[in-house]
Amino acid sequence: DGGITQSPKYLFRKEGQNVTLSCEQNLNHDAMYWYRQDPGQGLRLIYYSQIVNDFQKGDIAEGYSVSREKKESFPLTVTSAQKNPTAFYLCASRRYGYGYTFGSGTRLTVV
Amino acid sequence: QQQVKQSPQSLIVQKGGISIINCAYENTAFDYFPWYQQFPGKGPALLIAIRPDVSEKKEGRFTISFNKSAKQFSLHIMDSQPGDSATYFCAASTNTGTASKLTFGTGTRLQVTL
Repeated sequence: DGGITQSPKYLFRKEGQNVTLSCEQNLNHDAMYWYRQDPGQGLRLIYYSQIVNDFQKGDIAEGYSVSREKKESFPLTVTSAQKNPTAFYLCASRRYGYGYTFGSGTRLTVV
Repeated sequence: QQQVKQSPQSLIVQKGGISIINCAYENTAFDYFPWYQQFPGKGPALLIAIRPDVSEKKEGRFTISFNKSAKQFSLHIMDSQPGDSATYFCAASTNTGTASKLTFGTGTRLQVTL
């Protein structure tokens, strides 16, 4: 079955540590996105990529980094510069002109 | 700058009733308007979507009404069921290349009571 796989489901980060969230899709979609979800604030765009080896900052890119070396993969690194990283992170991909398909999310907690 | 405003923030409806969630947008270049349903701990799932060349789209118990002149669209859930209890997000986008990303509303938490 086609879809988006996010891993891990739960992730714990220590202060000052970088962590990487995985996102893989087998839908053959060109565009991929990372969103952060906090309670009561909806979905906020972190980074997005329209094609391989190209990506753009979203509304809240500070403290995050991404890469897009393969069409299927769009990992997100939460760096130590992100001061409040505890949130639910959602990856999505999109067929041009249609809606997103979301993954099941990664819940990141700072310990 | 919020380009899609969603209301209400929360909604309680009795089983069998009609749930109505409203969204308003500012960018007249938007031409794709989806609604997403999200259950706790899960990613949002596409529920129904509309393009501005029609004023209404119905899929089962879910209907989108679209008013282009008012720049508003709404989701109606007929015969609401407890299983519909979830958070609903409206969204909008253009289909233009680099701008083809969805802008989401802030979400409506729907609770359907017995």
